[in-house]
Amino acid sequence: QVQLQESGPGLVKPSETLSLTCTVSSGSISGYYWSWMRQPPGKGLEWIGYVHYGGSTSYNPSLKSRVTISVDTSKNHFSLRLGSVTAADTAVYYCARDHEQSSSSWYRAQSWFDPWGQGTLVTVSS
Amino acid sequence: QSVLAQPPSVSGAPGQRVTISCTGSSSNIGAGYHVHWYQQLPGTAPKLLIYGNTNRPSGVPDRFSGSKSGTSASLAISGLQAEDEADYYCQSYDSSLSGYVFGTGTEVTVL
Repeated sequence: QVQLQESGPGLVKPSETLSLTCTVSSGSISGYYWSWMRQPPGKGLEWIGYVHYGGSTSYNPSLKSRVTISVDTSKNHFSLRLGSVTAADTAVYYCARDHEQSSSSWYRAQSWFDPWGQGTLVTVSS
Repeated sequence: QSVLAQPPSVSGAPGQRVTISCTGSSSNIGAGYHVHWYQQLPGTAPKLLIYGNTNRPSGVPDRFSGSKSGTSASLAISGLQAEDEADYYCQSYDSSLSGYVFGTGTEVTVL
């Protein structure tokens, strides 16, 4: 059963860059798309973007100018970088595997997320 | 501002049936994109509950069922149990936003 684990700093200063890594274990990162989501304290879920193991990406338009998601197949992990952070970026960040492996836009749009990592809280504060 | 609207809360007595609606539009659910549901127990990560509108992953009790019609979807929980107290989120894709979207979330309380 594939497992995901987020890691990275729990505190980031305003205007700096948030960096997180999601390590995939008990399975290969190859063959799949991998996503990041976030959840501000007491609020709902937001999709941030995904990366294919081959390196292609797609981002939430509302965050696109500040987000980079990358993959390292040799280390079986993928990463999130979010620049110019503010207090509004304080959230629990989750990584997850996209179910749909096809690159077809219609089938990609039908995808769901499973499994998820346990999440990591990132606080933006000086 | 989520494009998928859910009631903030629903409640029911043990054994009762509750339903959670997920209301979208012609650019998401109404466009034919599938709806998926997640259960988030307090302090934990979301867990897949229903995929492809109506399908249950292995291990999910058949008390949970999903349906979809037009621009809306619903999650039903029959035989409500104390362990079902959680937040529930629907998820789909929106062509106008060019990305995956989640519902606003519903808190289920067992009275």
